[in-house]
Amino acid sequence: QKEVEQNSGPLSVPEGAIASLNCTYSDRGSQSFFWYRQYSGKSPELIMSIYSNGDKEDGRFTAQLNKASQYVSLLIRDSQPSDSATYLCAVNVNRDDKIIFGKGTRLHILP
Amino acid sequence: DTAVSQTPKYLVTQMGNDKSIKCEQNLGHDTMYWYKQDSKKFLKIMFSYNNKELIINETVPNRFSPKSPDKAHLNLHINSLELGDSAVYFCASSQDRLYEQYFGPGTRLTVT
Repeated sequence: QKEVEQNSGPLSVPEGAIASLNCTYSDRGSQSFFWYRQYSGKSPELIMSIYSNGDKEDGRFTAQLNKASQYVSLLIRDSQPSDSATYLCAVNVNRDDKIIFGKGTRLHILP
Repeated sequence: DTAVSQTPKYLVTQMGNDKSIKCEQNLGHDTMYWYKQDSKKFLKIMFSYNNKELIINETVPNRFSPKSPDKAHLNLHINSLELGDSAVYFCASSQDRLYEQYFGPGTRLTVT
């Protein structure tokens, strides 16, 4: 099993709807979880970090962590065309003490 | 003020040449990283330094040699460049190993 898995997409969501991005990870000891957004030709930009089970909200973004099921998700409310990008999930691999990135999900918001 | 900066932004060179990429961060972070993002957009860690000490050294050819003169700078020197080295190289920094990482703008390396 790959350490951090994401559906590559593209995920197409109508403008104004909720976009839901999912990520699963294999290391049960993982403690740090991050979502990054990367526009084409640009560098990854941190959106959210989450360290404990449950939901964490920041503006239109909500990160959800479920350690028992080993998944972390990102919800984007009121999706805008400017949200169209690749979203990268990143998780620390406890045994190696490093952070591994998933391959990213391409999100396309339809105007 | 730019938090993490890299130079150069673009690098076009021929096979067999040696080149360097420089990175600087003004965030006061202790940990810095080099990542490679290939044409399939997969972001893979290469090296990590914590307070000038090498802590992560992934399976990277010996032609790649990082150097950290101080904790605000991390450079990457590449010897005998090969076609497969063509990629975007990102520098990043974080307060500590398990904290949020902040990325530089990237260096697009093209080897011809």
